[in-house]
Amino acid sequence: SQELEQSPQSLIVQEGKNLTINCTSSKTLYGLYWYKQKYGEGLIFLMMLQKGGEEKSHEKITAKLDEKKQQSSLHITASQPSHAGIYLCGADDNQGGKLIFGQGTELSVKP
Amino acid sequence: EAGVTQSPTHLIKTRGQQATLRCSPISGHTSVYWYQQALGLGLQFLLWYDEGEERNRGNFPPRFSGRQFPNYSSELNVNALELEDSALYLCASSLVGGYQETQYFGPGTRLLVL
Repeated sequence: SQELEQSPQSLIVQEGKNLTINCTSSKTLYGLYWYKQKYGEGLIFLMMLQKGGEEKSHEKITAKLDEKKQQSSLHITASQPSHAGIYLCGADDNQGGKLIFGQGTELSVKP
Repeated sequence: EAGVTQSPTHLIKTRGQQATLRCSPISGHTSVYWYQQALGLGLQFLLWYDEGEERNRGNFPPRFSGRQFPNYSSELNVNALELEDSALYLCASSLVGGYQETQYFGPGTRLLVL
């Protein structure tokens, strides 16, 4: 079965610094989703990537899917306290309708 | 536009009881998904309903069941509650069902089993 591994598991950065979170799959990714979760709350959809080499940006967050479609990265430029939370990558499972998720990366941004 | 809504926000039950969790999808969405997020276990897929039918099920025992109503809202029932059922239960919806369809999540129902 497909597994997603995120790194790092946690990250503490100073406000204004850039950071990158990685998501690696054991199998080819056909749909890769990035979500953000505040502790104990629901998931907020950030971006979806489908094609090898695809890159999408929203405000200061950029997500990329590598050409081989087995790794994705999420990059935050000039981090702010509002970026703090848990970032989760999710992927379509071939069974349909089911997303599998990485274990999450907890981001703290120090003012 | 209203997002996915879930009720109740919190639920406290005792072992052996039954719990019912409710979800209303985004207007126009026909598919509803349920996930369990237990401490230390990550986010795990429970059920997928589309057009009133159960389309897929995760590795959970039969005491986890649900249904989807004609208005596309959904209910998750957990029978014979066990302590390990304590978790955040998240509902998501998508415009149509299945593959490469973005799922939008609700705020969750936190279930505590004592």
